[in-house]
Order: sequence, then C-alpha cells, then structure tokens
Amino acid sequence: NAGVTQTPKFQVLKTGQSMTLQCAQDMNHNSMYWYRQDPGMGLRLIYYSASEGTTDKGEVPNGYNVSRLNKREFSLRLESAAPSQTSVYFCASSASGTVSTDTQYFGPGTRLTVL
Amino acid sequence: QKEVEQDPGPLSVPEGAIVSLNCTYSNSAFQYFMWYRQYSRKGPELLMYTYSSGNKEDGRFTAQVDKSSKYISLFIRDSQPSDSATYLCAMSTPGGSYIPTFGRGTSLIVHP
Repeated sequence: NAGVTQTPKFQVLKTGQSMTLQCAQDMNHNSMYWYRQDPGMGLRLIYYSASEGTTDKGEVPNGYNVSRLNKREFSLRLESAAPSQTSVYFCASSASGTVSTDTQYFGPGTRLTVL
Repeated sequence: QKEVEQDPGPLSVPEGAIVSLNCTYSNSAFQYFMWYRQYSRKGPELLMYTYSSGNKEDGRFTAQVDKSSKYISLFIRDSQPSDSATYLCAMSTPGGSYIPTFGRGTSLIVHP
C-alpha cells in the first residue's frame, strides 16, 4: 500500500517549457488536491477534485491546469513555466472531501525549479 | 491579514523541554482544528485533530483550542530530537467541501 505517489521527485525547467506532474493514490479516495509550498507562505491550494469527473480552482490556480484522469490519478500541468512557479508541489487525497473531519494524506512532493 | 497566523520560527529547544506551538485565526466559523507534522523534504502528515474547544492528549502531545480567543496550541512534553520538524496548524468549517486553511508552519529544532 503506497498511499499517495508523485512523479517526478525533482525537475528543472526553462522558462516557457511545459510539464505535467503526476499523482496517484491507492486508498480508493474520492477527493484529490494539488498544493504548492513556498518558504514563508505555507501550503496554498492550486486545484482540487472533490470526486472523479470534477475539478475546481483553489487559491492560486493561474498558470496551471489539472486533469482527474480516473479515481486514482490527478495530474497538474504547467503549460508555460515561469520562475514564479518554482516551488515544492504536493498532491494529497482524502476519503470523501465533503466532511470536515476528513483527513488529507500527502505525497512526498515534487521539487520544481524554473530557470 | 491571513486567516491563520503562525510564527515561522525557528524555535530551538534542548532535549526534554516542553514545547508550545501556537496559531491564531480570524474566522470564527472554524470548528475543526488540526496539527500536521512535516519532516524535511517530506509531505505533511496528520498529527492531531480536535473539534471545537477543549484539549486532546495523545502520548507526549496535547492539542488545545480556545475558541473565545481564536487561539490553538500544540504542546510537546519531553521533546526529542526526532520531534525536529515543521508543524503546521490547519482548520476548517463544518459542511461543504473539506478544504482546510493552513498556517505557514513553525520550524522546531530539538537539540541533544
């Protein structure tokens, strides 16, 4: 039981390049989330998917797109990377996403540098 | 002003000390309060969870909520070097989608 997995672990991009961050969970969770974490800023929600087939914007969605490929997988795409998107990206999942007592489980993160 | 305020630290203490980590918040609708622990280069993991006001104890950890003051605390007794991590508070409102609001995290260093 791997929990939440993310690929790649590290990535360096040049400004304007595109890439997709992959996330998968094996806990049969309905809801999945993408966060970014920057020094002094804490965790900020980029996009989330309350259930398969739905996605919604979070606090900082500009410059990103997401795809909920199926119940297990939720990908984050940077179409034209900018230095401001240098960050650590975390994927998380939770069982239902509709109950405030739901626990989020986080992946190990992807460290992205945009030059 | 952010909805949840947390001093980033770092907080450096000797092994065996009692540690107090705190968050303040402005949204009186928050009812669920959580503490996550994040080791360096790892994802956050849920440490403790409380509902509304009061205390909750789990081993060396005690979470405390004071809704009248909009203030939550995490106490760590007999701190160990293995407790060195960043501690993030998070809170959410009842009903609707579960989207917690996170504090910025406090870096804790417990030195032998």
